[in-house]
Amino acid sequence: EAGVVQSPRYKIIEKKQPVAFWCNPISGHNTLYWYRQNLGQGPELLIRYENEEAVDDSQLPKDRFSAERLKGVDSTLKIQPAELGDSAVYLCASSLDRASGNIQYFGAGTRLSVL
Amino acid sequence: KQEVTQIPAALSVPEGENLVLNCSFTDSAIYNLQWFRQDPGKGLTSLLLIQSSQREQTSGRLNASLDKSSGRSTLYIAASQPGDSATYLCAVRRNTDKLIFGTGTRLQVFP
Repeated sequence: EAGVVQSPRYKIIEKKQPVAFWCNPISGHNTLYWYRQNLGQGPELLIRYENEEAVDDSQLPKDRFSAERLKGVDSTLKIQPAELGDSAVYLCASSLDRASGNIQYFGAGTRLSVL
Repeated sequence: KQEVTQIPAALSVPEGENLVLNCSFTDSAIYNLQWFRQDPGKGLTSLLLIQSSQREQTSGRLNASLDKSSGRSTLYIAASQPGDSATYLCAVRRNTDKLIFGTGTRLQVFP
């Protein structure tokens, strides 16, 4: 069974340009997470979806970041316009549901470099 | 605000050594604690999950303990191997389902 799939793996853009990341969670997983991981730090949650509903987006910088999860499966995270400080690895994870015992499975991430 | 700290930040040991990675958290009201492994350029792989009611979990050469009252967890790796080289992250979960991660311990096991 395929794990969490993210694309692209790497993205280099100039500041002020838009960028989008795509995530395909594990089949049947209702909960989807987007994290940002800065160099030398642990991941920080940006947004969590329960099916197609965003239930926790308190850490998402809403002036430039947006996300969607159409039909409760795939998800996209967009940044427009990108800033130098957005350079990081963007990780997607999924879990069966939000029950406390469920493990989150992570994708390989998208490494974004903003020049 | 929950804060998670991991010590040491980096560790380099010869193959075969037993080692202990430490994780501490400031708020003991957690649902569970997870240990993850992250290889360079890769995502996170869950190693062990300890529920708040549990004291430890074991998987192969890995053993994780949890002392919720003191806000501490340790990951014990027995007979370390070069393939264990990676960054190890601990994360605590509260009732919001949000994982709070530590900054990780970068482990290097040399032959």
